[in-house]
Order: sequence, then structure tokens, then C-alpha cells
Amino acid sequence: AQTVTQSQPEMSVQEAETVTLSCTYDTSENNYYLFWYKQPPSRQMILVIRQEAYKQQNATENRFSVNFQKAAKSFSLKISDSQLGDTAMYFCAFMKLTYNNNDMRFGAGTRLTVKP
Amino acid sequence: GAVVSQHPSRVICKSGTSVKIECRSLDFQATTMFWYRQFPKQSLMLMATSNEGSKATYEQGVEKDKFLINHASLTLSTLTVTSAHPEDSSFYICSASSYRGDYGYTFGSGTRLTVV
Repeated sequence: AQTVTQSQPEMSVQEAETVTLSCTYDTSENNYYLFWYKQPPSRQMILVIRQEAYKQQNATENRFSVNFQKAAKSFSLKISDSQLGDTAMYFCAFMKLTYNNNDMRFGAGTRLTVKP
Repeated sequence: GAVVSQHPSRVICKSGTSVKIECRSLDFQATTMFWYRQFPKQSLMLMATSNEGSKATYEQGVEKDKFLINHASLTLSTLTVTSAHPEDSSFYICSASSYRGDYGYTFGSGTRLTVV
């Protein structure tokens, strides 16, 4: 079974600063996807960034980037130039790629607060 | 982009009654949908995988007779909480795979169920 661990229950950062959220996972699979989702107070799950395990290049989406270390099974999220709207719960998620089972498993989450 | 509509957003029901939650993919066909449960300040826990035209696959510990899932069409999955009790009160979220060249999951906006 796959497990996803987020060791930081809460973090805070000053507006315009950079913050890194950590995530590690455990799997014996070779083909999988990793995700970071944001859940604001509305509780709508919003995809932040996605990484394919077979790609060595780290994914980036504007102010969001990841540091994907496949051998170490680490997948951290860096948020640059933090904005007040980034305040939310952030979940790291793992999805293995099989023909008939692509369910997504989530970490416990990190509550990020961006302070003005 | 892919949109998943989930209704109702909030529901209050009496103990012993049943409640149905709908999850619709609005602009794409979803052969597979997923149902998650989220307790306050906790992560999303996968309850079951809903497959169009076949029986749902339940996670260990999830009572299939209490949480009935029906995926009768490629755009609709329903979760029925039968004989609801206060401990069933929770936030339920559905998601669907909107595979269009890459893997992406779109989430519904969630349903807050309160059983009184």
C-alpha cells in the first residue's frame, strides 16, 4: 500500500516570502503521479501542481514549483512570493498508474498561513 | 476545463433516514469516480471507487451496505448514506478523472452532512 506523509501540520510565512512544504511517500511502484492540492476555507479541492514520476524535470506552475527526488521518495512544494490568497490546507497526493486502479491517496495536510 | 458538480452542498437529516449525494461530470465522461470522506481538520480518506456499469470497490473498513454507490451513467455517480447516524456526519467529496492526454482529477465542491 502507498502512504503519503506530510510532517508539517502547520506552517506560516510572511507575504512575499518563500515557503517550502514537505512530503514523502512510500511505494514499490515505478509509474505514478504526485500532486499538490490546495483546499481553501471553501473546502473546494484545487490542483496546484502535478509531477509524473518518469519525468526527471521538476514541475513548475508560476509561483509554485516542486523538488521531486524519486530515489528519496520526496516531493516538496515551494511557494514563491507568497500571497494572502495562498492561505489554505495543502495536501500532497499519490496516484499509481495501473490499468484499473488509479485512485488517489492523500497526506494528512499542512495548514499554511500567509501573514500580511 | 473539466467540471464536477456535487449536490447538495449541505444537508441535515434525522437519525435513521437516508441521504443521497449526487456527483456529476458536466463536460466529460467519467468511467470512474471516487468518493472521499473528510473529518474536520483531517485529510481525505478514500471510501470507494465507483465504476460505471459495475459494482463499486470499497476500501477496507467502509460498510458497503451503509454507503451505497450507484454509477448508472458515464456522468453520474450517487452515494446514499443509509440509516444515517450522528457518527456519519462528515464532509463527503467526490472526484472524477478527466483524462485528456494527461492525468487530472477534478473534485466536486463537497457535501456537508449533519445527522441529528
